[in-house]
Amino acid sequence: EVQLVESGGGLVQPGGSLRLSCAASGFTFSSYWMSWVRQAPGKGLEWVANIKQDGSEKYYVDSVKGRFTISRDNAKNSLYLQMNSLRAEDTAVYYCARAVEMATMESYYYYMDVWGKGTTVTVSS
Amino acid sequence: SYELTQPLSVSVALGQTARITCGGNNIGSKNVHWYQQKPGQAPVLVIYRDSNRPSGIPERFSGSNSGNTATLTISRAQAGDEADYYCQVWDSSIVVFGGGTKLTVL
Repeated sequence: EVQLVESGGGLVQPGGSLRLSCAASGFTFSSYWMSWVRQAPGKGLEWVANIKQDGSEKYYVDSVKGRFTISRDNAKNSLYLQMNSLRAEDTAVYYCARAVEMATMESYYYYMDVWGKGTTVTVSS
Repeated sequence: SYELTQPLSVSVALGQTARITCGGNNIGSKNVHWYQQKPGQAPVLVIYRDSNRPSGIPERFSGSNSGNTATLTISRAQAGDEADYYCQVWDSSIVVFGGGTKLTVL
């Protein structure tokens, strides 16, 4: 069974740090782009970061650039999100997601076909 | 940056057809994907690349994309289809989500 399981969420003070993990199973982890997506309480989905199969390309939403770092360990089938200098507005459920990515002559597409259940991050004093 | 516009809410009578739109500049030139999210649950992909259904998604779910509007159509709406629906595209190396539409089945 294809599965993603996030961990590492919790309560942290503003300015603090947290490292999220995502354990993948049931598929060849090293063959897929991976993403983090978050959802603040009562709000919509917000993409946070992407990482290529070999970790050579990473992209971030502007609001987390310089504070968050996405990484992966293909030997451990794991995805990570290091979050530093946390702010109240980073409070959200963080989802790990497997991505399908393809470039053709005509177009490019990227979508998330498998999602974890999420881990909750609360930034508050 | 690229923006996707969705109606905040859509209502549909039980058994009727619901249409949820996703507006964007020349969105017809992009690949649009749709996710369903029920309360307290993770999102689920229901349509990818404009009109393709993943395995396990009922044929009642379909999609189209042309011009400046992509549309998710849910035929013969059921109570279990009540959820938030999000469209998504890729633009300039980032993932863009629409603001989401709450579907109510009356």
